[in-house]
Amino acid sequence: DIVMTQSPDSLAVSLGERATINCKSSQSVLYSRNNKDYIAWYQQKPGQPPKLVIYWASTRESGVPNRFSGSGSGTDFTLTISSLQAEDVAVYYCQQYHSAPFTFGGGTKVEIK
Amino acid sequence: DVKLAQSGGGLVQPGGSLRLSCVASGFTFKSYAMNWVRQAPGQGLEWVSTITGGGDNTYYADSVKGRFTISRDDSKNTLYLHMSSLRVDDTAFYFCARPAPGYFEGSAYSFTEPFDHWGQGTLVAVSS
Repeated sequence: DIVMTQSPDSLAVSLGERATINCKSSQSVLYSRNNKDYIAWYQQKPGQPPKLVIYWASTRESGVPNRFSGSGSGTDFTLTISSLQAEDVAVYYCQQYHSAPFTFGGGTKVEIK
Repeated sequence: DVKLAQSGGGLVQPGGSLRLSCVASGFTFKSYAMNWVRQAPGQGLEWVSTITGGGDNTYYADSVKGRFTISRDDSKNTLYLHMSSLRVDDTAFYFCARPAPGYFEGSAYSFTEPFDHWGQGTLVAVSS
């Protein structure tokens, strides 16, 4: 099974500042046939289901503000919120969908400083 | 609009059984794999199970293998999770989730895709 390790567990960022979340997979999630990294990022607010934010490691889901970006390849990935807004307060999860079991990271809680 | 309407949660005693349902609308259900994901109160997300489009293949987390069964009725656009031998640590919100439409292979979309639509979740509480 592929283990997903996120860091930090939580972070507090001032409004308008950058938030960076890291995710490491225990083995590569790059599929050589299509050269895609099978990594997604989800945002979850209290009392709501998760919402897809980024997929293929760096593709923004439709309707997601461009302050959200994803990067990385192979085993190391990053979600960046370039200018934190109040509505971005949430828990963020990475997930690999390369192979079952489709494991999630432990989550990172983003708060306003 | 894609909609996933869940039902079937509740309180059950350890060792008991429960069936969750997820009724889909707004897309061609039979062409998509479907997933169950759970979240214990205050905890992170845990993938539980996947069934491919057409139901040919199923996958389970080790924590539920042999106790849970995922199934689908394409004539009713409904996904199920049959849970038996329930344990206290199965207590969680259970979400159904549809993967994004990736490449189409045979009679269905691939199942190795991000989860782009989620149900609202239903709480399963296992307690004596």
